[in-house]
Amino acid sequence: DTAVSQTPKYLVTQMGNDKSIKCEQNLGHDTMYWYKQDSKKFLKIMFSYNNKELIINETVPNRFSPKSPDKAHLNLHINSLELGDSAVYFCASSQAASDTQYFGPGTRLTVL
Amino acid sequence: GENVEQHPSTLSVQEGDSAVIKCTYSDSASNYFPWYKQELGKRPQLIIDIRSNVGEKKDQRIAVTLNKTAKHFSLHITETQPEDSAVYFCAATDTGGGNKLTFGTGTQLKVEL
Repeated sequence: DTAVSQTPKYLVTQMGNDKSIKCEQNLGHDTMYWYKQDSKKFLKIMFSYNNKELIINETVPNRFSPKSPDKAHLNLHINSLELGDSAVYFCASSQAASDTQYFGPGTRLTVL
Repeated sequence: GENVEQHPSTLSVQEGDSAVIKCTYSDSASNYFPWYKQELGKRPQLIIDIRSNVGEKKDQRIAVTLNKTAKHFSLHITETQPEDSAVYFCAATDTGGGNKLTFGTGTQLKVEL
């Protein structure tokens, strides 16, 4: 069984387009996250939700908007994609903020 | 906010040797310090973690030590094997930032035959 899943795995798109990435966890965790990993492998948190409520919102452009329809799902919508948005985006979940985080397989976004 | 520094950025060892990766953190209230391993093209996966009430933790060939006074913690891998080759990330909780994890910049470990 896949604990944290993301779709799509790869996303290639043109500048200016709008795209979404979906994440689901079946671990029963209360907290979910979005991370961005750039070409240098730096892992940077973008957002965190606890039981559908936004609790962490790092300095991320307004073009990025997370949505959590329920505590098992956290989606990421990106408007007006730019070249600099190219990266691998990881979803993760944990039972609580200071507990083990389980990562999804990642979505490699390439903006042309 | 929390600042986590990780060294070295790359580490090359011979199979069977030990490898040590070190991290320092700035938030004296941090209480959770996980280590993640990320193989090429894969997701980060937890390999070991330690909480602030413990100084050392061991799991087979890997161990983590924590020095709260000096605000540093280290990952030790003994009897390294080629499958240990990966990027390793340390992390620490940022208690002023919703208890989020702040990650180090990663160490590319290469175990050579």
